[in-house]
Amino acid sequence: DVVMTQTPLSLSVTPGQPASISCKSSQSLLNGDGKTYLYWYLQKPGQSPQLLIYELSSRFSGVPDRFSGSGSETDFTLKISRVEAEDVGVYYCMQGLHLPPYTFGQGTKLEIK
Amino acid sequence: EVQVSESGGGLVQPGGSLRLSCAASGFTFSKFAMNWVRQTPEKGLEWISGITGDGGSLYYTGSVEGRFTISRDNSKNTLYLQMNSLSAEDTAVYYCAKGSGYYYYFCAMDVWGQGTTVTVSS
Repeated sequence: DVVMTQTPLSLSVTPGQPASISCKSSQSLLNGDGKTYLYWYLQKPGQSPQLLIYELSSRFSGVPDRFSGSGSETDFTLKISRVEAEDVGVYYCMQGLHLPPYTFGQGTKLEIK
Repeated sequence: EVQVSESGGGLVQPGGSLRLSCAASGFTFSKFAMNWVRQTPEKGLEWISGITGDGGSLYYTGSVEGRFTISRDNSKNTLYLQMNSLSAEDTAVYYCAKGSGYYYYFCAMDVWGQGTTVTVSS
């Protein structure tokens, strides 16, 4: 199975400041169709995970443009340009190329200072 | 509004069985793959099973293969997970998650339910 490794496991950010989360995969997620099957999810406190970013860098419907995804093959980054209070929760990366199974990172907990 | 909602969780003894259901609404159910994902504090999020839109192809993670069975009834817009030979390691919150396409592969899991809790204990 593909191993997904996130860093840091937690971060504390002042509102209005940027935040960045790293995710590394044990195998390349770049497919022959040119797409990179890397996803980002946010699980807000007491809620189920919600899709933020699909195929490396595309924002899901309704996701604010302060969220952006980037990277290549095995190294990926989720950036929040200006953190807001509603962004608190646990962020997960997930690979969707080497299936089954889908595999997730350990999660990164974002809190507000 | 696209929604999925799980039910059927509860307390079950080791070795017992349980069937989870996931009711879908707001989209053409038969046109989308569906998945089950579970979550524990120890292991985090773990995908366990997926099924194509027509139910013709099934996928499992190794730890549940042979014990769990995924199925769907497209006439009832409902997804199921039959869980047999349960052990304490199966204790988790179980989520139903809609795929973004018909096939299991190359899909995001784009809509998740609120989860149902399964506790395996004597």
